[in-house]
Amino acid sequence: LAKTTQPISMDSYEGQEVNITCSHNNIATNDYITWYQQFPSQGPRFIIQGYKTKVTNEVASLFIPADRKSSTLSLPRVSLSDTAVYYCLVGANNNAGNMLTFGGGTRLMVKP
Amino acid sequence: GAGVSQTPSNKVTEKGKYVELRCDPISGHTALYWYRQSLGQGPEFLIYFQGTGAADDSGLPNDRFFAVRPEGSVSTLKIQRTERGDSAVYLCASSSMSSYNEQFFGPGTRLTVL
Repeated sequence: LAKTTQPISMDSYEGQEVNITCSHNNIATNDYITWYQQFPSQGPRFIIQGYKTKVTNEVASLFIPADRKSSTLSLPRVSLSDTAVYYCLVGANNNAGNMLTFGGGTRLMVKP
Repeated sequence: GAGVSQTPSNKVTEKGKYVELRCDPISGHTALYWYRQSLGQGPEFLIYFQGTGAADDSGLPNDRFFAVRPEGSVSTLKIQRTERGDSAVYLCASSSMSSYNEQFFGPGTRLTVL
C-alpha cells in the first residue's frame, strides 16, 4: 500500500483558502487518491476522490499533477466549522479488499 | 436515508470481561469494515467483510478479537478477556461495489476498559 505524507497541522483564518498537500511517491498505476474529514467524536467522512488532473465538488477541489506523486486538497473560504482532521489516502477503488490505510492526518485549525 | 449506526455509543467494562459491539451498515452495502482509533491517531484497519464472509481479518490484533456478519448485513465485533490496551473508539464503515474507497463511517463505539 502506498504511504502518504502530509503536514501534521495547519492554521488558517475564516474566509481564507486552505491547501493541504499530500505526498505519495509510491502510488501505483491503479491507485486513486481519496480524502476524508473527521470531526471530534465522529467517524471520518468522505470528501473527494480523484485519479488525475483536477476534481471539484461542492465541498472541495483536488489537484493532482501529471506524475501523481502528490495531491493538494483545496478548501475554498474556510469557516470555523472546517476545523477538523483531514486524511489523505491512496488505494485501488475496485476491490473491497483494498482497506483504507489512514495516517496521522492533518489537523486544520480555523481561527476567527 | 439512514447512515451507518453503531451501538452502544459508549461501553465501559472491566478488565477480563467480554464485550460485543454492533454495526448496522447502510442497506445494500456489501462491504463492511471495522477500524479501531486511538486518541490522536488515524483509524487502524481490523477486518472487512464482503457479504457474510470475513474476506480479510489481518488487522485483528490477536485471537481475543472476532467479528461476524451472519446474514450479510449487521456485524458484531466481539472482544474476549478485554485488556486496558483495548480501550479505543471502534469504527464501522460500509461501502457499495461502485466505489469501495468511498466508505461511510458510523459514529463509533467508545470502549473503555478499566
